[in-house]
Order: sequence, then C-alpha cells, then structure tokens
Amino acid sequence: QKEVEQNSGPLSVPEGAIASLNCTYSDRGSQSFFWYRQYSGKSPELIMSIYSNGDKEDGRFTAQLNKASQYVSLLIRDSQPSDSATYLCAVNTFTSGTYKYIFGTGTRLKVLA
Amino acid sequence: DGGITQSPKYLFRKEGQNVTLSCEQNLNHDAMYWYRQDPGQGLRLIYYSQIVNDFQKGDIAEGYSVSREKKESFPLTVTSAQKNPTAFYLCASSLSGGEIYEQYFGPGTRLTVT
Repeated sequence: QKEVEQNSGPLSVPEGAIASLNCTYSDRGSQSFFWYRQYSGKSPELIMSIYSNGDKEDGRFTAQLNKASQYVSLLIRDSQPSDSATYLCAVNTFTSGTYKYIFGTGTRLKVLA
Repeated sequence: DGGITQSPKYLFRKEGQNVTLSCEQNLNHDAMYWYRQDPGQGLRLIYYSQIVNDFQKGDIAEGYSVSREKKESFPLTVTSAQKNPTAFYLCASSLSGGEIYEQYFGPGTRLTVT
C-alpha cells in the first residue's frame, strides 16, 4: 500500500514566522508532488507542484523535495493569520496500471496574531 | 471564467434514495476525478475518467456509479448500496491523466444522508 504521511498538527506559529510543513511518501518511484491548501469547509486549492530535487519558490511559499529521503516539505515565510488552514501533500504515483494521486491526511496550521 | 462547478453545494437525502452529484468543467481537461473526504482522513478516490466514454474504479467505488458522456461533465450517483454516504464529495480535473499533471478541484458537495 503506497502511503503519504503528514503530521496532523496543529502546528502553531506566530505571525511573521516561518511555518515548516513536512510530508514523507513510500513510493520511491514517484516523480510528481503537490501541496494544497484547504480552508475549513472549502475544497483544496493547489499551491505548489514540484518535480525535481531541490527548492522551488513562489512568493512566500517554498517547496523542497528530497527524493533520496522520500521527503517533501513546504515552507511559508512571513506567515499570516490568513494562512491558517489545513495543508495537504499529494504524490502522483503509478499504481494498478495508471497514475493516481495519493493524499496525506493534512497538517493543520494555526498562525497566531 | 474557466473552472469546475459542482452542484448542489449541500444535499440532504433519506436513506435508501439514490442521489446524483453534478460536476462540470470548462477547462478543456481530459481527465476528471471524484474523491470523498471524511474528517481525519485523506481524500479517497472513488472513480476517474481519462477520456470521454471511459471511466475506471478508484479505491472505494462500491455503492457509486458514474458516466462520462461529454468531456465537460462527470456526474456521480451515490446509490442506496453505499453504506456510509454522508461525506464531502470533491470533483477534480486535470489536463491529462499522466504523471506530471496538476489536479484542480471544484467547490465540493456536502451530502448528508439520514
């Protein structure tokens, strides 16, 4: 069973700090990784995709990928109260003859004003 | 505006009734997906379709059915055979079903069955 693991949190950080969200995955062959933000009662919204080892930056968000360690993370700089949400990690994995997203259960982030 | 629409936003049904959830996209995406989200669990794949007139079962297809007669539309029917239908249902689409493609979600339908 291919899995994606996330700490459920909540992760509490003060406003202006860096929030670090982590995700590990079991399928060593996976090549595509995604971070989604989900506000309470709403649907997931794609924040970042990353396909190569290293860092990818987009505004206040940085995704980091380490395929050797099977680890992907999301850093949020200058965290704002509006960043308070659940962050879902998704890994596109080849299983049963097709590509499917496997989602983690999400990490709840609370940014304290 | 391009996007994915789902209707209705909230749906209430009695046990034993079939119910159909709508999903429409105008992104010209080939692939469409249905997920179910329950509290404390990750999204679970119900059905997916990579092309018109073709669809495949996901991990939890029992008690559900779909059709894909048009590229834009992928309705989901929750049948009376689904034992625990109360959940948040999410439709998603991607340009293609391949490895690198990003999935985008509709706003979801919250189904309550009593």
